[in-house]
Amino acid sequence: GENVEQHPSTLSVQEGDSAVIKCTYSDSASNYFPWYKQELGKRPQLIIDIRSNVGEKKDQRIAVTLNKTAKHFSLHITETQPEDSAVYFCAASKGSNYQLIWGAGTKLIIKP
Amino acid sequence: DAGVTQSPTHLIKTRGQHVTLRCSPISGHKSVSWYQQVLGQGPQFIFQYYEKEERGRGNFPDRFSARQFPNYSSELNVNALLLGDSALYLCASSSSSASSGNTIYFGEGSWLTVV
Repeated sequence: GENVEQHPSTLSVQEGDSAVIKCTYSDSASNYFPWYKQELGKRPQLIIDIRSNVGEKKDQRIAVTLNKTAKHFSLHITETQPEDSAVYFCAASKGSNYQLIWGAGTKLIIKP
Repeated sequence: DAGVTQSPTHLIKTRGQHVTLRCSPISGHKSVSWYQQVLGQGPQFIFQYYEKEERGRGNFPDRFSARQFPNYSSELNVNALLLGDSALYLCASSSSSASSGNTIYFGEGSWLTVV
């Protein structure tokens, strides 16, 4: 079955710097790749997603890139701010259902 | 518009008991999925229902069951609770059965503690 690996498990960056989180997936049939932000005690919130017919997508300070050949996708956050501190999860699924397979999460710490 | 609503928000059960968690999807959404999130880990897929039919099942024991009602709300039932069932149970809704072209929305979750 599908397996999603996420790195790093913890990422500490200086406020204003960029943060990059990387995920790899195993099932080449996967075609939907969302990223979620989860604050302590809260539900996961979708921040950006990308589908397999697109290589890159950007939304203000957040961007996601997808390399289908290498089966990896990355989240890029620029000009990081204290409120970006949270756990970020990547996920992958095929188009036939909403069975999301999630990465293990990355704890992002923004240092003032 | 109301989002995905789940109840109860928090509950404590003892080992061996049974629990029922409830979810109401966003109005107009026909697909409901359930996920289990153990502390410090990513969510794990349990079930997906669309139009009252099971569309997917994750790697969970038969103690876990679910159903979807005519109004598209859903229940997740867990029998013979174990300590390891302690987790945040998330319900998600979407307007279709497939992820292509649609977004799924999560409820706030139900925190289950088994003692």
